[in-house]
Amino acid sequence: DQQVKQNSPSLSVQEGRISILNCDYTNSMFDYFLWYKKYPAEGPTFLISISSIKDKNEDGRFTVFLNKSAKHLSLHIVPSQPGDSAVYFCAAAGDTGRRALTFGSGTRLQVQP
Amino acid sequence: NAGVTQTPKFRILKIGQSMTLQCAQDMNHNYMYWYRQDPGMGLKLIYYSVGAGITDKGEVPNGYNVSRSTTEDFPLRLELAAPSQTSVYFCASASGGAADTQYFGPGTRLTVL
Repeated sequence: DQQVKQNSPSLSVQEGRISILNCDYTNSMFDYFLWYKKYPAEGPTFLISISSIKDKNEDGRFTVFLNKSAKHLSLHIVPSQPGDSAVYFCAAAGDTGRRALTFGSGTRLQVQP
Repeated sequence: NAGVTQTPKFRILKIGQSMTLQCAQDMNHNYMYWYRQDPGMGLKLIYYSVGAGITDKGEVPNGYNVSRSTTEDFPLRLELAAPSQTSVYFCASASGGAADTQYFGPGTRLTVL
């Protein structure tokens, strides 16, 4: 049973436009959410995070929105750049003992020049 | 700082063979993790450690063993390789703070034939 779901396996956008990546979760114990970016043949790298006490967090071109009532979060990239082309994983944490992450299956973003 | 390093990068095993995947970090992180990523899927937690001498099972521990004799190293052992263990393996470390940001190694691609 997937606790973190990314229902869009892929997304293609034009350079300069907005990219919106979505993530849904089912476990109401999750209290911290993260987005990781992964290039081929590399490990994931941390992109941005949000605590459950907030509904928005912004870092440059990247903004994450959290809707707790809907158990939904989204990552907005504005403007999108070709270098943003990668697989994006949504992850959630809520087990304070081990700080392990539960990952979604990822969305492959392709930004067309 | 090298961050998180993993060796080897690639390996092909025959069914029933054993091997150890090495992982080391130089950030003095207490928390370390092993994940596997199957094609089109998210990362699944195999084992984790909250400090030297302490390890615990994640979601998919069967067929694997770990040890944590030092803060820096967290090797993953496959005793009797099976085709179901064909995957990409990622090691990660974290300071264990509230941010839960994990730093990943580049991965080991393992094929069991």
